[in-house]
Parts: sequence; C-alpha cells; structure tokens
Amino acid sequence: DAKTTQPNSMESNEEEPVHLPCNHSTISGTDYIHWYRQLPSQGPEYVIHGLTSNVNNRMASLAIAEDRKSSTLILHRATLRDAAVYYCILRDQGGSEKLVFGKGTKLTVNP
Amino acid sequence: DSGVTQTPKHLITATGQRVTLRCSPRSGDLSVYWYQQSLDQGLQFLIQYYNGEERAKGNILERFSAQQFPDLHSELNLSSLELGDSALYFCASSVATVNQPQHFGDGTRLSIL
Repeated sequence: DAKTTQPNSMESNEEEPVHLPCNHSTISGTDYIHWYRQLPSQGPEYVIHGLTSNVNNRMASLAIAEDRKSSTLILHRATLRDAAVYYCILRDQGGSEKLVFGKGTKLTVNP
Repeated sequence: DSGVTQTPKHLITATGQRVTLRCSPRSGDLSVYWYQQSLDQGLQFLIQYYNGEERAKGNILERFSAQQFPDLHSELNLSSLELGDSALYFCASSVATVNQPQHFGDGTRLSIL
C-alpha cells in the first residue's frame, strides 16, 4: 500500500478555513485519495475522495496537486464539531478494498 | 447516524474467555469489514466479508474468527482472550468497490480484566 505523510497535529480557530495537507509521493496512477475523520468516541467517518480533479461536497473540498504527489483537505469554516483525527488514505482502484489507516492529523479547533 | 449498528457497545470480560461482537450493516451494503483500534497499533484491518463469503484477510489472529450470515449481519468471535486484545472493534459496511466509502459503526469497546 502506498504511503501517506501527514502532520501529527494542527490547530485552528472556529469559523476560519483549515487546510490539512497530505503527502503521497509514491502514489500510483490508479490510486484514489480518500479522507476519513474520527471524532472522539466515534467510528471513522468518510469525508471525501478524488483521483485527479479537485472535488467538493457538503463537508469539505479536496485539492489535488497536478503531479498528484500531494493533496489538501479544506474545511471552509471550521466548527468545534470538526475537531477530530483526519486520515488521508490511498486506495488502489484495482486493489484491496480495505482501508489502511496511518496516524492521521489531530485537528484542534479553538472557540 | 451511519446506519451501521454494533452491539454491544461495551464488553468487560476476563482472560481466557470467548466473546462475540455483532454488526448489522447499512441496508443494501453487501460488504462488511472489521477493524481493531488499540492505543499502540492504531486502526488495523482484520477481515472482510462480501455477501457471505470471506473476501480479504488482514492482521487477524488465529484466535479470532468471523462470519457473515444470509441476512448480511456479521459476527466477530474472539476466543482465548488476552489482556492485549483490549481495544475498540469497529465494523464498517460498503457496496464493496474501491471508489465507494465505508460506513463505520460506533464500535464495541472490549476490556479484558
């Protein structure tokens, strides 16, 4: 499984945008970039995924670098409820369906 | 609410015992995954079932086994329990393609005394 690198922790203020980076320099052409988050005392929750183009949904935006070696999850206006551990995961289109979690980024949102 | 139901929420038992964790997937999802989350190992994939058949195996111990029933619910059986088996066990379900998200339950917290 291709590896991702994320900062251990980040801090943000409520109602400000948050940019969570992920490096994946060994990404292959068939790897999709998925983001999950885990709120305290809950199971992981799907956030967004993409292949090459930037993606938007009701929760977040995903910006993918042109060379696909990095991506950024964007929360447009952080709320206290967004405090969680965010995981960036690569999933091979033709490979296993399992999720391989790293340590993720712990996001703290200050009121 | 993810639509995935796990029971029980908490389980406390002793070493050497056997327990069964249960998972009901989201309506329409044929695939069920089990994950273990411990403080030192993080979130790790254990096993996947698709429509009643084992589809993929991860770091699952021989003392652990799972099955998926015709109604698509799944059970994870843990036997000869050791202190190190104390962890959160999550079940997830999906339509079993790589592009589709997995939906997780809230987990079962297993404590071995």
